[in-house]
Amino acid sequence: GENVEQHPSTLSVQEGDSAVIKCTYSDSASNYFPWYKQELGKGPQLIIDIRSNVGEKKDQRIAVTLNKTAKHFSLHITETQPEDSAVYFCAASRGYSSASKIIFGSGTRLSIRP
Amino acid sequence: EAGVVQSPRYKIIEKKQPVAFWCNPISGHNTLYWYRQNLGQGPELLIRYENEEAVDDSQLPKDRFSAERLKGVDSTLKIQPAELGDSAVYLCASSFQGAMDTEAFFGQGTRLTVV
Repeated sequence: GENVEQHPSTLSVQEGDSAVIKCTYSDSASNYFPWYKQELGKGPQLIIDIRSNVGEKKDQRIAVTLNKTAKHFSLHITETQPEDSAVYFCAASRGYSSASKIIFGSGTRLSIRP
Repeated sequence: EAGVVQSPRYKIIEKKQPVAFWCNPISGHNTLYWYRQNLGQGPELLIRYENEEAVDDSQLPKDRFSAERLKGVDSTLKIQPAELGDSAVYLCASSFQGAMDTEAFFGQGTRLTVV
Protein backbone atom coordinates (compact mmCIF):
# COMPACT_ATOMS: atom_id res chain seq x y z
CA GLY A 1 0.00 0.00 0.00
CA GLU A 2 0.90 3.64 0.04
CA ASN A 3 3.70 4.45 2.45
CA VAL A 4 5.76 7.49 3.46
CA GLU A 5 9.00 6.97 5.36
CA GLN A 6 10.59 9.81 7.28
CA HIS A 7 14.09 10.24 8.77
CA PRO A 8 15.45 10.98 11.27
CA SER A 9 12.91 10.36 14.02
CA THR A 10 14.70 12.85 16.29
CA LEU A 11 17.01 15.74 15.42
CA SER A 12 18.87 18.14 17.68
CA VAL A 13 20.66 21.16 16.21
CA GLN A 14 22.36 24.23 17.61
CA GLU A 15 20.40 27.45 17.32
CA GLY A 16 21.37 29.18 14.11
CA ASP A 17 22.37 25.97 12.34
CA SER A 18 20.36 24.24 9.61
CA ALA A 19 18.09 21.23 9.95
CA VAL A 20 17.22 18.74 7.20
CA ILE A 21 14.46 16.14 7.27
CA LYS A 22 14.13 13.56 4.52
CA CYS A 23 11.18 11.51 3.28
CA THR A 24 10.54 8.86 0.67
CA TYR A 25 7.20 7.75 -0.74
CA SER A 26 6.02 4.60 -2.45
CA ASP A 27 3.04 5.71 -4.55
CA SER A 28 4.37 6.96 -7.86
CA ALA A 29 1.01 8.66 -8.49
CA SER A 30 1.59 11.06 -5.59
CA ASN A 31 1.87 14.62 -6.78
CA TYR A 32 1.26 16.82 -3.74
CA PHE A 33 3.71 16.90 -0.81
CA PRO A 34 2.82 19.02 2.25
CA TRP A 35 4.88 19.49 5.40
CA TYR A 36 3.23 19.97 8.77
CA LYS A 37 4.50 21.29 12.10
CA GLN A 38 2.86 20.00 15.27
CA GLU A 39 3.44 21.65 18.62
CA LEU A 40 2.59 19.97 21.89
CA GLY A 41 -1.15 19.70 22.44
CA LYS A 42 -2.02 21.12 19.04
CA GLY A 43 -3.07 19.79 15.69
CA PRO A 44 -0.68 19.72 12.72
CA GLN A 45 -0.25 23.01 10.88
CA LEU A 46 0.76 23.27 7.24
CA ILE A 47 4.05 25.15 6.89
CA ILE A 48 4.93 24.59 3.23
CA ASP A 49 3.94 22.34 0.37
CA ILE A 50 5.23 21.42 -3.06
CA ARG A 51 3.60 19.98 -6.14
CA SER A 52 5.15 17.55 -8.57
CA ASN A 53 5.57 20.06 -11.34
CA VAL A 54 8.31 21.90 -9.43
CA GLY A 55 11.55 20.69 -7.92
CA GLU A 56 12.09 23.27 -5.21
CA LYS A 57 10.14 25.85 -3.23
CA LYS A 58 11.31 28.35 -0.65
CA ASP A 59 9.52 30.46 1.94
CA GLN A 60 11.84 32.59 4.06
CA ARG A 61 13.87 30.16 6.20
CA ILE A 62 12.06 27.06 4.98
CA ALA A 63 12.66 25.23 1.69
CA VAL A 64 11.50 21.95 0.23
CA THR A 65 13.04 19.92 -2.57
CA LEU A 66 11.43 17.13 -4.56
CA ASN A 67 13.05 14.39 -6.65
CA LYS A 68 10.21 12.55 -8.39
CA THR A 69 12.50 10.07 -10.09
CA ALA A 70 13.92 8.91 -6.78
CA LYS A 71 10.59 9.47 -4.98
CA HIS A 72 12.07 11.47 -2.19
CA PHE A 73 11.61 14.97 -0.84
CA SER A 74 13.25 17.02 1.90
CA LEU A 75 12.58 19.91 4.26
CA HIS A 76 15.36 22.39 4.96
CA ILE A 77 15.19 24.90 7.80
CA THR A 78 17.99 27.47 7.92
CA GLU A 79 19.01 29.77 10.77
CA THR A 80 17.02 27.69 13.24
CA GLN A 81 15.36 29.42 16.19
CA PRO A 82 13.98 28.07 19.50
CA GLU A 83 10.42 28.37 18.19
CA ASP A 84 11.26 25.86 15.47
CA SER A 85 11.28 23.12 18.12
CA ALA A 86 8.33 20.84 17.33
CA VAL A 87 7.41 17.60 15.57
CA TYR A 88 7.49 17.83 11.79
CA PHE A 89 5.55 15.53 9.47
CA CYS A 90 6.01 15.05 5.77
CA ALA A 91 3.09 13.75 3.74
CA ALA A 92 2.17 12.69 0.23
CA SER A 93 -1.10 12.78 -1.65
CA ARG A 94 -2.58 12.12 -5.07
CA GLY A 95 -4.36 15.01 -6.60
CA TYR A 96 -3.40 18.65 -6.65
CA SER A 97 -5.20 19.41 -3.45
CA SER A 98 -4.79 18.98 0.25
CA ALA A 99 -8.38 17.75 0.17
CA SER A 100 -7.20 14.46 -1.25
CA LYS A 101 -6.21 11.57 0.97
CA ILE A 102 -2.98 12.50 2.72
CA ILE A 103 -0.50 9.84 3.85
CA PHE A 104 1.71 11.07 6.69
CA GLY A 105 5.24 10.07 7.64
CA SER A 106 6.01 9.03 11.20
CA GLY A 107 7.35 12.43 12.23
CA THR A 108 10.65 14.05 13.26
CA ARG A 109 11.03 15.61 16.69
CA LEU A 110 13.25 18.66 16.17
CA SER A 111 14.96 20.23 19.16
CA ILE A 112 16.86 23.51 18.92
CA ARG A 113 19.67 23.85 21.47
CA PRO A 114 20.26 27.42 22.71
CA GLU B 1 -12.09 33.53 12.12
CA ALA B 2 -12.57 30.49 14.34
CA GLY B 3 -10.60 27.41 13.42
CA VAL B 4 -11.70 23.79 13.55
CA VAL B 5 -13.30 23.19 16.95
CA GLN B 6 -13.26 19.78 18.59
CA SER B 7 -14.74 18.59 21.85
CA PRO B 8 -14.04 17.24 24.30
CA ARG B 9 -10.29 17.90 24.55
CA TYR B 10 -9.75 14.90 26.77
CA LYS B 11 -11.77 11.77 27.50
CA ILE B 12 -11.03 8.86 29.81
CA ILE B 13 -13.33 5.86 29.65
CA GLU B 14 -13.33 2.23 30.66
CA LYS B 15 -13.05 -0.41 27.95
CA LYS B 16 -16.32 -1.60 26.45
CA GLN B 17 -17.91 1.79 27.05
CA PRO B 18 -19.11 4.02 24.19
CA VAL B 19 -17.55 7.40 23.40
CA ALA B 20 -18.31 10.18 20.93
CA PHE B 21 -16.26 13.05 19.55
CA TRP B 22 -17.62 16.19 17.98
CA CYS B 23 -16.14 18.44 15.30
CA ASN B 24 -17.22 21.84 13.99
CA PRO B 25 -15.28 22.65 10.81
CA ILE B 26 -14.33 26.06 9.51
CA SER B 27 -17.34 27.85 8.08
CA GLY B 28 -17.73 27.21 4.36
CA HIS B 29 -15.45 24.19 4.25
CA ASN B 30 -17.10 21.35 2.33
CA THR B 31 -14.54 18.63 3.08
CA LEU B 32 -14.10 17.15 6.54
CA TYR B 33 -11.66 14.51 7.75
CA TRP B 34 -11.25 12.39 10.83
CA TYR B 35 -7.73 11.18 11.61
CA ARG B 36 -6.35 9.01 14.40
CA GLN B 37 -2.87 9.75 15.74
CA ASN B 38 -1.17 7.15 17.88
CA LEU B 39 1.61 8.24 20.21
CA GLY B 40 4.81 9.01 18.28
CA GLN B 41 3.23 8.48 14.88
CA GLY B 42 1.73 10.51 12.10
CA PRO B 43 -2.03 10.92 11.67
CA GLU B 44 -3.89 8.17 9.82
CA LEU B 45 -7.08 8.92 7.91
CA LEU B 46 -10.22 7.25 9.21
CA ILE B 47 -12.86 8.88 7.04
CA ARG B 48 -13.26 11.78 4.64
CA TYR B 49 -16.50 13.60 3.85
CA GLU B 50 -17.37 15.79 0.91
CA ASN B 51 -20.43 17.63 2.13
CA GLU B 52 -22.68 14.91 3.62
CA GLU B 53 -21.14 12.05 1.65
CA ALA B 54 -18.43 9.79 3.05
CA VAL B 55 -16.12 9.46 0.04
CA ASP B 56 -13.33 7.49 1.73
CA ASP B 57 -13.97 5.33 4.79
CA SER B 58 -11.73 2.44 3.85
CA GLN B 59 -9.64 2.81 7.04
CA LEU B 60 -12.59 3.09 9.42
CA PRO B 61 -13.04 -0.05 11.58
CA LYS B 62 -16.71 -0.40 10.85
CA ASP B 63 -17.41 -3.03 13.46
CA ARG B 64 -17.04 -0.48 16.25
CA PHE B 65 -16.55 2.94 14.67
CA SER B 66 -19.22 5.08 13.06
CA ALA B 67 -19.34 8.65 11.85
CA GLU B 68 -21.90 11.04 10.54
CA ARG B 69 -21.97 14.52 9.08
CA LEU B 70 -25.55 15.65 9.03
CA LYS B 71 -26.34 18.69 6.89
CA GLY B 72 -22.74 18.73 5.69
CA VAL B 73 -21.46 20.82 8.59
CA ASP B 74 -20.72 19.36 12.04
CA SER B 75 -19.58 15.78 12.40
CA THR B 76 -19.48 13.18 15.14
CA LEU B 77 -17.25 10.13 15.43
CA LYS B 78 -18.38 7.32 17.70
CA ILE B 79 -16.69 4.23 19.09
CA GLN B 80 -18.82 1.48 20.59
CA PRO B 81 -17.52 -0.45 22.41
CA ALA B 82 -14.09 1.08 23.03
CA GLU B 83 -11.02 -1.13 23.33
CA LEU B 84 -7.68 -0.46 25.01
CA GLY B 85 -6.03 -0.09 21.59
CA ASP B 86 -8.32 2.82 20.72
CA SER B 87 -6.33 5.11 23.02
CA ALA B 88 -5.03 7.86 20.72
CA VAL B 89 -5.59 11.46 19.68
CA TYR B 90 -8.51 11.86 17.28
CA LEU B 91 -8.03 14.81 14.94
CA CYS B 92 -10.62 16.52 12.81
CA ALA B 93 -9.64 18.64 9.82
CA SER B 94 -11.51 20.59 7.18
CA SER B 95 -10.79 22.18 3.84
CA PHE B 96 -12.54 23.67 0.85
CA GLN B 97 -12.37 21.75 -2.39
CA GLY B 98 -13.53 23.61 -5.43
CA ALA B 99 -12.29 26.09 -7.98
CA MET B 100 -9.77 27.28 -5.41
CA ASP B 101 -8.71 24.49 -3.08
CA THR B 102 -7.51 25.32 0.39
CA GLU B 103 -5.14 23.51 2.67
CA ALA B 104 -6.51 21.19 5.35
CA PHE B 105 -6.79 22.90 8.75
CA PHE B 106 -6.63 20.70 11.82
CA GLY B 107 -8.35 21.03 15.16
CA GLN B 108 -6.53 20.49 18.47
CA GLY B 109 -7.79 16.95 18.72
CA THR B 110 -9.45 14.82 21.38
CA ARG B 111 -7.11 12.71 23.47
CA LEU B 112 -8.86 9.43 24.31
CA THR B 113 -7.59 7.16 27.04
CA VAL B 114 -9.24 3.77 27.42
CA VAL B 115 -8.53 2.04 30.74
